Amino acid sequence: EIVLTQSPGTLSLSPGERATLSCRASQSVSSSYLAWYQQKPGRAPRLLIYGASSRATGIPDTFSGSGSGTDFTLTISRLQPEDFAVYYCQQYGSSPYTFGQGTKLEIK
Amino acid sequence: QVQLQESGPGLVKPSETLSLTCTVSGGSISGYYWSWIRQPPGKGLEWIGYIYYTGSTNYNPSLKSRVTISVDTSKNQFSLKLRSVTAADTAVYYCARAYGDVWGQGNTVTVSS
Repeated sequence: EIVLTQSPGTLSLSPGERATLSCRASQSVSSSYLAWYQQKPGRAPRLLIYGASSRATGIPDTFSGSGSGTDFTLTISRLQPEDFAVYYCQQYGSSPYTFGQGTKLEIK
Repeated sequence: QVQLQESGPGLVKPSETLSLTCTVSGGSISGYYWSWIRQPPGKGLEWIGYIYYTGSTNYNPSLKSRVTISVDTSKNQFSLKLRSVTAADTAVYYCARAYGDVWGQGNTVTVSS
């Protein structure tokens, strides 16, 4: 089973700042089958990025994904108030598909 | 656009079977993989398994002995059964298209006598 470790656990930033979230895999993720989700309280997760770097439909270009192998990054270039939430990475290249433990992005 | 709606009881007794159904509307269940994911209170996401519209399945080994996912293409639905539940199975259960692009709103299931 591929274990995904996200860092930091909590990230405190101000609107307008840049956020960099990390997701490290215990072994290489096949074909960059790595997704990023945003989840707000009481809501289902929302797909942001798939294939490590492709934005999902309707996701603004302030969100970008990068990385391959075992190291992946989600970058939010300029934080908007609505971007403060919990972010999860997920690998879907190797069963069982696994999620990271999440990074909470909070307003400083 | 495609929408998903989970349905099923919100309370299940220990040792019994949790049963949930996901109804797909606005599109066909055919041609896609469909997943179940759960989230215990205050915790992260756990992938339970997926089913292809033809009926082939893939389960998380941690739950495999207790899980069955099935599909009914005539009703545009797929379902989850989790047997012998305990308090540790208390969670919000989500159905989703396996690409992760469409999710239901979640069904809170509490295991308690």
